[in-house]
Amino acid sequence: AQTVTQSQPEMSVQEAETVTLSCTYDTSENNYYLFWYKQPPSRQMILVIRQEAYKQQNATENRFSVNFQKAAKSFSLKISDSQLGDTAMYFCAFMKPWYGNKLVFGAGTILRVKS
Amino acid sequence: DTEVTQTPKHLVMGMTNKKSLKCEQHMGHRAMYWYKQKAKKPPELMFVYSYEKLSINESVPSRFSPECPNSSLLNLHLHALQPEDSALYLCASSQESGFSNQPQHFGDGTRLSIL
Repeated sequence: AQTVTQSQPEMSVQEAETVTLSCTYDTSENNYYLFWYKQPPSRQMILVIRQEAYKQQNATENRFSVNFQKAAKSFSLKISDSQLGDTAMYFCAFMKPWYGNKLVFGAGTILRVKS
Repeated sequence: DTEVTQTPKHLVMGMTNKKSLKCEQHMGHRAMYWYKQKAKKPPELMFVYSYEKLSINESVPSRFSPECPNSSLLNLHLHALQPEDSALYLCASSQESGFSNQPQHFGDGTRLSIL
């Protein structure tokens, strides 16, 4: 079974600075997908970024980028120029194809952006 | 605005009541999901519907009964719930189930409290 580990329960960062959230996972699969979702206090789960395991290039979405290390089974999220609106719970998630798009979530990291 | 609409946003019910949660999407997605989320925890998958058929039931108690009347609608019928069922119930949809890297889009959730 796949597992996803987020080792940082809480983090804080000053506005405009850069922060990195860690995620590791365990799988014997070679083909899979990884996601970062954010859940602000408004409670909607919002997709931040996704990565296909077969792609070596790290995904980027504006201020958000990932460091995907397949051999190390690591998938960290870097947020540049942090904004107050980035304050949220961040979940790392793993998805294996051919199984109903089932997402396996990590425990989450609460990120607080301070002004 | 979210593209997955859940109603009601809040629901308080007694253990003997029968109520239903509703989820609607108009993105043409053919897979829909129910999740249960406790405070400060990741979402836990309950059910997956693919092309209006139940494809995954994560051993959910029978007091939760899902229904997919058409490709845009997903209901969760509740009966004889227990206090531990109090949680945020999230609905999600994606383009298809199975082999796909299409991310799930989540609704705002229904906050359920059992008295």
